[in-house]
Amino acid sequence: KQEVTQIPAALSVPEGENLVLNCSFTDSAIYNLQWFRQDPGKGLTSLLLIQSSQREQTSGRLNASLDKSSGRSTLYIAASQPGDSATYLCAVKTDKLIFGTGTRLQVFP
Amino acid sequence: NAGVMQNPRHLVRRRGQEARLRCSPMKGHSHVYWYRQLPEEGLKFMVYLQKENIIDESGMPKERFSAEFPKEGPSILRIQQVVRGDSAAYFCASSPDIGTRNQPQHFGDGTRLSIL
Repeated sequence: KQEVTQIPAALSVPEGENLVLNCSFTDSAIYNLQWFRQDPGKGLTSLLLIQSSQREQTSGRLNASLDKSSGRSTLYIAASQPGDSATYLCAVKTDKLIFGTGTRLQVFP
Repeated sequence: NAGVMQNPRHLVRRRGQEARLRCSPMKGHSHVYWYRQLPEEGLKFMVYLQKENIIDESGMPKERFSAEFPKEGPSILRIQQVVRGDSAAYFCASSPDIGTRNQPQHFGDGTRLSIL
């Protein structure tokens, strides 16, 4: 049974820091891995999608890596800003998305 | 190109009533997924539908819950005889028809269901 774990559960940092959020999964038989952002009371915004054959994807200040064999992905956020404050979710795709419980990020000025 | 549309955004029901949640996928998407997010928990898969067919309902409770995606109109998640434990945010996602396994799922803003 696929299980997805995210560490840390919560993170509070000053503005400007570079951050690493971690995601691990137990079964490497996935089609892709997707990182989302969720603001309080809102829906999910897709940030990055990495296909199982890829190693990383970049979008602006975000970089996501995937090591399928070890069951790990990291989301790197460069030069964090208060507007980055949100919950970050990773999800692996089999026939459906299986989500981690998220990392709640707060970036203070 | 409109995104995934869910309505209502908020729904309040009393115990024992029925709740109907609607989801219109993105244009050109015929794959719809429903997820539930309980308070302080992650999103859990409920059901996967393709036009007029249920593909995977392994995450949906066997009793009181049903889902459909008719040939015309939105997908409907129906909860009968609601109980307090059904209070949650219900999210719908859709994906394209072609290469759906490798395509991202696009999410709606969710319906927040509160049971009094």
